[in-house]
Amino acid sequence: NAGVTQTPKFQVLKTGQSMTLQCAQDMNHEYMSWYRQDPGMGLRLIHYSVGAGITDQGEVPNGYNVSRSTTEDFPLRLLSAAPSQTSVYFCASSYRGDEQFFGPGTRLTVL
Amino acid sequence: GNSVTQMEGPVTLSEEAFLTINCTYTATGYPSLFWYVQYPGEGLQLLLKATKADDKGSNKGFEATYRKETTSFHLEKGSVQVSDSAVYFCAGILTGGGNKLTFGTGTQLKVEL
Repeated sequence: NAGVTQTPKFQVLKTGQSMTLQCAQDMNHEYMSWYRQDPGMGLRLIHYSVGAGITDQGEVPNGYNVSRSTTEDFPLRLLSAAPSQTSVYFCASSYRGDEQFFGPGTRLTVL
Repeated sequence: GNSVTQMEGPVTLSEEAFLTINCTYTATGYPSLFWYVQYPGEGLQLLLKATKADDKGSNKGFEATYRKETTSFHLEKGSVQVSDSAVYFCAGILTGGGNKLTFGTGTQLKVEL
């Protein structure tokens, strides 16, 4: 199993550009989540999903959209990138909402 | 509101020293508690967990006991190694949402020879 995969590993955007961060898991997990990691702030939940077709907002959802059309994939869309969205983004999945398995992360810089 | 608070770092220890990283939580009910570790350039990995009061989670020589009376989940290791150098995150599922983890700010540990 590949576990949780994320692409790209690194990305540089200009303010106002849009992009999609990809996340996929091959463990047949129902639960998937997106977090951002900022220095001194730990990880904060952006959006999460408890199954295909079901998504909900986390702690810091503004400026991000998600969809969950399949169990495997959970893409995160930045609609109009802002410098405040410079961060490291982690996707995670879990089977029963208990132990979460994290991807390797995407480091995003918005100029 | 619900939160997880852990001691700030960085923490620098000599090899074979004793490690304690403090973690406390604020929540109603009975949260599940976790310690995650992040090695440089990698994602987070689950280190250990405890799901009810007085449970002790353990893994790779690390231990943490879920203390409801003090709302704490301190991480300990009797003898650290250079390879333990990483960032450690305390986290909890503090509300009813099954996958809504709340993280502490992380504690960087550096172990020197």
